[in-house]
Amino acid sequence: EAGVVQSPRYKIIEKKQPVAFWCNPISGHNTLYWYLQNLGQGPELLIRYENEEAVDDSQLPKDRFSAERLKGVDSTLKIQPAELGDSAVYLCASSPGTANTGELFFGEGSRLTVL
Amino acid sequence: KNQVEQSPQSLIILEGKNCTLQCNYTVSPFSNLRWYKQDTGRGPVSLTIMTFSENTKSNGRYTATLDADTKQSSLHITASQLSDSASYICVVFAAGNNRKLIWGLGTSLAVNP
Repeated sequence: EAGVVQSPRYKIIEKKQPVAFWCNPISGHNTLYWYLQNLGQGPELLIRYENEEAVDDSQLPKDRFSAERLKGVDSTLKIQPAELGDSAVYLCASSPGTANTGELFFGEGSRLTVL
Repeated sequence: KNQVEQSPQSLIILEGKNCTLQCNYTVSPFSNLRWYKQDTGRGPVSLTIMTFSENTKSNGRYTATLDADTKQSSLHITASQLSDSASYICVVFAAGNNRKLIWGLGTSLAVNP
């Protein structure tokens, strides 16, 4: 069974440029998460989807970050414009069911460097 | 405030030795507690998930314990291997109206030959 797939694995951009990350969750997993992880820190939730609905986006900086999960499968996280402080690893995870209690399966992450 | 605190922050041990990582939490209402292993440059991988009624759970050389009364958990690694070098993160799921996962900062473990 294929795991959570993320792309790109690495991205280097200049500040003020846009960037987008893509995530394909495990087939059949209803819940999808985007996390931000800084070096030496634990992951911080940006947004959680249950199917195509964003049920928790309270930590998403909506002035520059946006996300979508069309048809309740793949998801895209966008940053526009990127700032120096956005340099981090962006992790996508999926979970079976919708109760937020199931095991999370993570992708390898997308490492963003903003110059 | 819901918090998860882990200790030690980092740990160095010799290959073959045992070690124990600690997790204290102040999360209410409690639903479950998870331990994740995160290799450098990789996404976290689940080791165990424990509910309120479970005191201990094993996954190979990893054994997690949970004391829901004192709100403490530990992760014991037996006969450590070089591949155990990673960050170990404790995560508690807060139930109720504001359901969410509360993440600790992790313990960085280095196993040296």
